[in-house]
Amino acid sequence: AQTVTQSQPEMSVQEAETVTLSCTYDTSESDYYLFWYKQPPSRQMILVIRQEAYKQQNATENRFSVNFQKAAKSFSLKISDSQLGDAAMYFCAYRSGKGAQKLVFGQGTRLTINP
Amino acid sequence: DTGVSQDPRHKITKRGQNVTFRCDPISEHNRLYWYRQTLGQGPEFLTYFQNEAQLEKSRLLSDRFSAERPKGSFSTLEIQRTEQGDSAMYLCASSLVGHSRLNTEAFFGQGTRLTVV
Repeated sequence: AQTVTQSQPEMSVQEAETVTLSCTYDTSESDYYLFWYKQPPSRQMILVIRQEAYKQQNATENRFSVNFQKAAKSFSLKISDSQLGDAAMYFCAYRSGKGAQKLVFGQGTRLTINP
Repeated sequence: DTGVSQDPRHKITKRGQNVTFRCDPISEHNRLYWYRQTLGQGPEFLTYFQNEAQLEKSRLLSDRFSAERPKGSFSTLEIQRTEQGDSAMYLCASSLVGHSRLNTEAFFGQGTRLTVV
């Protein structure tokens, strides 16, 4: 079975600075997707960024980018120019490319932005 | 609002009572997923539907849990004889799965927070 591990329960960063959230995963599959989801307090989970395993290029979405190291099974999220609205729980998630395609989540990292 | 909606947002029930939650997915989405999230943890998969067919159930889904998706539209999740360990956030997500690699990502509802007292 696939597993996702986030080793940082909490992180904090000064507003306008850059922060990196770590994620590692374990799988024997070759066809899969990786995601970072953001869950603000009492609000719904929203997708931040996704990465297809077959793509070598790291995904980027505005201030959010990933460092996808396939051989190391590492998938970190970098948030540049951190804003107060970035404060939330961040979950790394794995999804197989076939079958149920259910999401397997890590334990989450609580990100605090200091003004 | 064309997102995923869940009802109710909060439910407090006494141990032993039955509860039912509803999820309305994005209308064109053919897949619907239920997840459970306990405090401080990531969501865990419970079950999913492809249209009206329930295709997989997690071992987390005991026989006190039942889910339906009649006509492939909204879905209900019922918990019978609730226990304190059932207290959690129940999340619903939907997605569109086609015949190519270009599946949509899962869109989540705001969840139903269940408290069993």
